Amino acid sequence: GNSVTQMEGPVTLSEEAFLTINCTYTATGYPSLFWYVQYPGEGLQLLLKATKADDKGSNKGFEATYRKETTSFHLEKGSVQVSDSAVYFCALSDLDGANNLFFGTGTRLTVIP
Amino acid sequence: DSGVTQTPKHLITATGQRVTLRCSPRSGDLSVYWYQQSLDQGLQFLIQYYNGEERAKGNILERFSAQQFPDLHSELNLSSLELGDSALYFCASSALPGGYTFGSGTRLTVV
Repeated sequence: GNSVTQMEGPVTLSEEAFLTINCTYTATGYPSLFWYVQYPGEGLQLLLKATKADDKGSNKGFEATYRKETTSFHLEKGSVQVSDSAVYFCALSDLDGANNLFFGTGTRLTVIP
Repeated sequence: DSGVTQTPKHLITATGQRVTLRCSPRSGDLSVYWYQQSLDQGLQFLIQYYNGEERAKGNILERFSAQQFPDLHSELNLSSLELGDSALYFCASSALPGGYTFGSGTRLTVV
């Protein structure tokens, strides 16, 4: 079946530190992969996505590369800011036409000044 | 504003009661998805509707039901509420294929 395994948090970093949040997936075929972000008190927002192997999604300084060989989609940012404090969710969409998203458990990131 | 509207934002009710959560999808999106987010269970997919028809079912309890109306808005009905049903309930919409657009959620507290 489809599933996403995400690095457990919480993660606490100092401002300008490098961020990596690991995400691996299990799926039949080649799903699309996503990172969503949830800021305090808000719903989930799409951060970036990749639809095929070796694609790199990027947005707001965040990047993730779809690695088929390692079934991974790790999220990275070179220099985090306090405003990046949020919960980050890795997700994959299935391929049977229903377009359902399967989410990881979420990783809470706190960036301290 | 994401374009997906959920009402109410907050709901407090007693055990055993029934509530209805409402979602208006983004204009043009035919699919509506309902998710439950709780501290211990994470983000759980409940159910999907596409253009008025149920398309997929996830971990939705028998006490819960949903429907999508001709104007594409959707309602999630939760009955015989238990303390453990306290959670954030999110609605999302999408235009196939692609990512979702989430509403800001309804926080349900069962006391």
